[in-house]
Amino acid sequence: AQSVTQLDSQVPVFEEAPVELRCNYSSSVSVYLFWYVQYPNQGLQLLLKYLSGSTLVESINGFEAEFNKSQTSFHLRKPSVHISDTAEYFCAVSGPSGAQKLVFGQGTRLTINP
Amino acid sequence: DAGITQSPRHKVTETGTPVTLRCHQTENHRYMYWYRQDPGHGLRLIHYSYGVKDTDKGEVSDGYSVSRSKTEDFLLTLESATSSQTSVYFCAISEPTDSGYTFGSGTRLTVV
Repeated sequence: AQSVTQLDSQVPVFEEAPVELRCNYSSSVSVYLFWYVQYPNQGLQLLLKYLSGSTLVESINGFEAEFNKSQTSFHLRKPSVHISDTAEYFCAVSGPSGAQKLVFGQGTRLTINP
Repeated sequence: DAGITQSPRHKVTETGTPVTLRCHQTENHRYMYWYRQDPGHGLRLIHYSYGVKDTDKGEVSDGYSVSRSKTEDFLLTLESATSSQTSVYFCAISEPTDSGYTFGSGTRLTVV
């Protein structure tokens, strides 16, 4: 069975500052890793994913995450945040095949202050 | 959200009454899921389906049942609603590939 721990429930940062949202996972098999973003009163949207290959994956809006197998981590980073990045972010893990039941972390609320 | 709708969007119901939430997709995806979202718990899987009439339990299935008679529809039923089932319910779809999920907009259910 897989599990995910997001180490921070809330992260406040100033606009244009860098941010890191931390995610650790536990699994006895190889995994796929995902970050989802949820804007207020909306569903979740896929931000980026790691399946295989390069351990650094990027999204179209400047976020990136690095898969670290030895530390079982998949931290999300952005070098300079914008007010519009205010949202809740969820890390998720699944096994590599079948129904791909995603297991989610508890979520990290990112608040951007002007 | 692309090709997936949930109904109703909001519902208030009384303890002990049955409630059915509907998820409808137009993507012809094989897999469908029901999750509930609660503060401090993230999203937890209730039930999922891997085909018509093929369903299985998730992490928090007690008190819930599901049905899938057509590829496009996945129904979640609370047989006798309790206050602990007050939550936001999300439906999601996927293909058996590495593409991740597409989520619906959610149903906010309040049991009073």
